[in-house]
Amino acid sequence: AQSVTQLGSHVSVSEGALVLLRCNYSSSVPPYLFWYVQYPNQGLQLLLKYTSAATLVKGINGFEAEFKKSETSFHLTKPSAHMSDAAEYFCAVSEGGSQGNLIFGKGTKLSVKP
Amino acid sequence: GAVVSQHPSWVICKSGTSVKIECRSLDFQATTMFWYRQFPKQSLMLMATSNEGSKATYEQGVEKDKFLINHASLTLSTLTVTSAHPEDSSFYICSGTANYGYTFGSGTRLTVV
Repeated sequence: AQSVTQLGSHVSVSEGALVLLRCNYSSSVPPYLFWYVQYPNQGLQLLLKYTSAATLVKGINGFEAEFKKSETSFHLTKPSAHMSDAAEYFCAVSEGGSQGNLIFGKGTKLSVKP
Repeated sequence: GAVVSQHPSWVICKSGTSVKIECRSLDFQATTMFWYRQFPKQSLMLMATSNEGSKATYEQGVEKDKFLINHASLTLSTLTVTSAHPEDSSFYICSGTANYGYTFGSGTRLTVV
């Protein structure tokens, strides 16, 4: 069965600094991987997804993630943090292709200091 | 893009009453709808998966008689929390899938007093 581990429940960076949110997955089949952002009391917004095409995936708001099969990782990065990036971020893996059930990591809360 | 409209966004109800949460896919037909529950500062936990016109499949530990899911059409799925108790207070989120992949509703904050 698939699983997702997000290292670090809370990450704090200064505005303008690099953002790195870690995600490792476990899957017996080629995975579909996703990063979502959640603002307080709101649903989830898709940042980006990997569906077995290019290993470097670019998403919205300047975020990108690189799929590394050898490391079973799909870390999320952004070169320069903005105050508006402060939110909860979830990594997820699909159990069954592009429309199977999503398995979510426990989330990482990103804080951005002025 | 694909949009799932979820209502209400928040609701307060008394113990013992029932609450219905609706999710509508506005510009696509959601062949499958997932219902999640999220406790404060925790991740999303899948409660059930529903396909249009068939009975929902519930995850282990989720009471199907308490959390009634109806997916009568390709654009509407509902979750009814029956005989609600304070421990049912949580954030409930739906997600519809189709050719577009996953689209999440904006969530419903349920508080049972």
